[in-house]
Amino acid sequence: GAGVSQTPSNKVTEKGKYVELRCDPISGHTALYWYRQSLGQGPEFLIYFQGTGAADDSGLPNDRFFAVRPEGSVSTLKIQRTERGDSAVYLCASSSDAGDYGYTFGSGTRLTVV
Amino acid sequence: GNSVTQMEGPVTLSEEAFLTINCTYTATGYPSLFWYVQYPGEGLQLLLKATKADDKGSNKGFEATYRKETTSFHLEKGSVQVSDSAVYFCALSSPTSGTYKYIFGTGTRLKVLA
Repeated sequence: GAGVSQTPSNKVTEKGKYVELRCDPISGHTALYWYRQSLGQGPEFLIYFQGTGAADDSGLPNDRFFAVRPEGSVSTLKIQRTERGDSAVYLCASSSDAGDYGYTFGSGTRLTVV
Repeated sequence: GNSVTQMEGPVTLSEEAFLTINCTYTATGYPSLFWYVQYPGEGLQLLLKATKADDKGSNKGFEATYRKETTSFHLEKGSVQVSDSAVYFCALSSPTSGTYKYIFGTGTRLKVLA
């Protein structure tokens, strides 16, 4: 597509529920990234995919967070047993290569855990 | 560890005023430096970048020079417009932590009044 698409744009869920956030990167981009942006903060790195594999998942805060990219295109970020502290904007980005070229970000999914 | 520090906002200016948003960094090795902009309701967009010392990045009238001696990458624009109102993020990537992994500052909100 023309840009990075994230769905849903907003998600409200109850504490303890499971959520999935979807990212559709720019067609042909092999690198995909997830970041989390808490209120008043800059984005923080969660995970980086090169193709289908997670090349670096060191930013995932704990084992409740998991992400997949089974066909090397669309990615899903999965959060189990959500907590109120998970409330944030989850950003996805993609690039044609992992390097110094800059990413293209999606508009994000605003997750609110009540 | 690597970090980015930005001046706190909001910064409020009249149209046609001169803009400076300060950014300093701490990093091992030789990082690449970026400015991203987030317009209301939109995703982060790459504004400009510089990949080595003394490089000047420029775009849409904005400029920033990579100063290794002062570890700074201040954003400047000679004459701001109302349409420049947005949140601006300084960021770095470092070969020692992975060029794909960006460290962002907390962002500086700019308001330009007509």
